Amino acid sequence: GQQVMQIPQYQHVQEGEDFTTYCNSSTTLSNIQWYKQRPGGHPVFLIQLVKSGEVKKQKRLTFQFGEAKKNSSLHITATQTTDVGTYFCAGTSGGSYIPTFGRGTSLIVHP
Amino acid sequence: NAGVTQTPKFQVLKTGQSMTLQCAQDMNHNSMYWYRQDPGMGLRLIYYSASEGTTDKGEVPNGYNVSRLNKREFSLRLESAAPSQTSVYFCASSEMRGNYNYGYTFGSGTRLTVV
Repeated sequence: GQQVMQIPQYQHVQEGEDFTTYCNSSTTLSNIQWYKQRPGGHPVFLIQLVKSGEVKKQKRLTFQFGEAKKNSSLHITATQTTDVGTYFCAGTSGGSYIPTFGRGTSLIVHP
Repeated sequence: NAGVTQTPKFQVLKTGQSMTLQCAQDMNHNSMYWYRQDPGMGLRLIYYSASEGTTDKGEVPNGYNVSRLNKREFSLRLESAAPSQTSVYFCASSEMRGNYNYGYTFGSGTRLTVV
């Protein structure tokens, strides 16, 4: 079945440093979604990418979808303590509308 | 606008007990889902309901049953709880148009411990 691998599992950064998490799929994706989960909270939808090579920005967050639609990344510029949490990618493929979630990257920001 | 509401927020069960987790959404979404989240495992789909009157198994359905009571409500039942079902359970809903999923709205979760 479809697998979505996400790396790294954890990332410690100093406040102000940049952060990137990567998502790779074993199959070509129809689209990819990104979610953020604060500690003790629930996942919150951030964005969905659909087109090959698509790049979208939300303030300090930049989301990319690979040309082959098999990988994606989330980059945060100049991290803040409010960025702390676990970031999940979720990819959909094969005509299904049910995304498969990666295991997430936990971001720890040290002030 | 409450979004997705789950009850209860916390629950402790003894092995063999049964319980039902309740979920309701007020966004008029057709599709609803139940996930479990375990440390380091991400979110795993238990059951989903594409529309009122239909339910389907997800990745980890064993030990669970679901009921799509109406368009708003989707419940998850543990008939005989086991320690392996200790987890955080999230209900979610999504807007669907054709095969396009507009992204999940999650409830705040139920933290279940089975002793």
